[in-house]
Amino acid sequence: NAGVTQTPKFRILKIGQSMTLQCTQDMNHNYMYWYRQDPGMGLKLIYYSVGAGITDKGEVPNGYNVSRSTTEDFPLRLELAAPSQTSVYFCASSWKGERNQPQHFGDGTRLSIL
Amino acid sequence: KQEVTQIPAALSVPEGENLVLNCSFTDSAIYNLQWFRQDPGKGLTSLLLIQSSQREQTSGRLNASLDKSSGRSTLYIAASQPGDSATYLCAVRTGNQFYFGTGTSLTVIP
Repeated sequence: NAGVTQTPKFRILKIGQSMTLQCTQDMNHNYMYWYRQDPGMGLKLIYYSVGAGITDKGEVPNGYNVSRSTTEDFPLRLELAAPSQTSVYFCASSWKGERNQPQHFGDGTRLSIL
Repeated sequence: KQEVTQIPAALSVPEGENLVLNCSFTDSAIYNLQWFRQDPGKGLTSLLLIQSSQREQTSGRLNASLDKSSGRSTLYIAASQPGDSATYLCAVRTGNQFYFGTGTSLTVIP
């Protein structure tokens, strides 16, 4: 049972570089989410998707882009990395049908921008 | 905008004690509330999910209650164990947005 898999686990970027954080789930969940967690803070929703081809902004979307071409994958793109984007990034997925189901989280990507 | 608060920020108890963690939210128009556990360097593990129409959920030694009208939820942990040491977070769903508290760091002393 892989669940939600995130790669890479750690990454150091220079200011202005770009990168893609990968997220894949094998539970056939329709909803997927990207969060960031800063020290001493709660998780903040960056983007979410309700199904393949459909994405929408969360609370803190600036500086990020997403796409959802398949049910399984939901990559997060940083185009011009800034020090303020140093954080731990979590991907999650859930099934939403008649009743909401719990979110399942990956182990996170720890990103430092120097 | 939904604001979620968790009190206390940290809690230390001796093994075997029963304890209560608190979560409050400002907008009562929620779909559900979820309690998570986070171990250091790890992702979040879902403990309990309470739908907006429910008052409580139980799983083993854990019991979560929800009072939507007052904007409060509690997580009750019975007979605490050292393995319960972790950070506990609550999250509310409003529309398609999720809002998290900053968590309560729990240490259970053997």
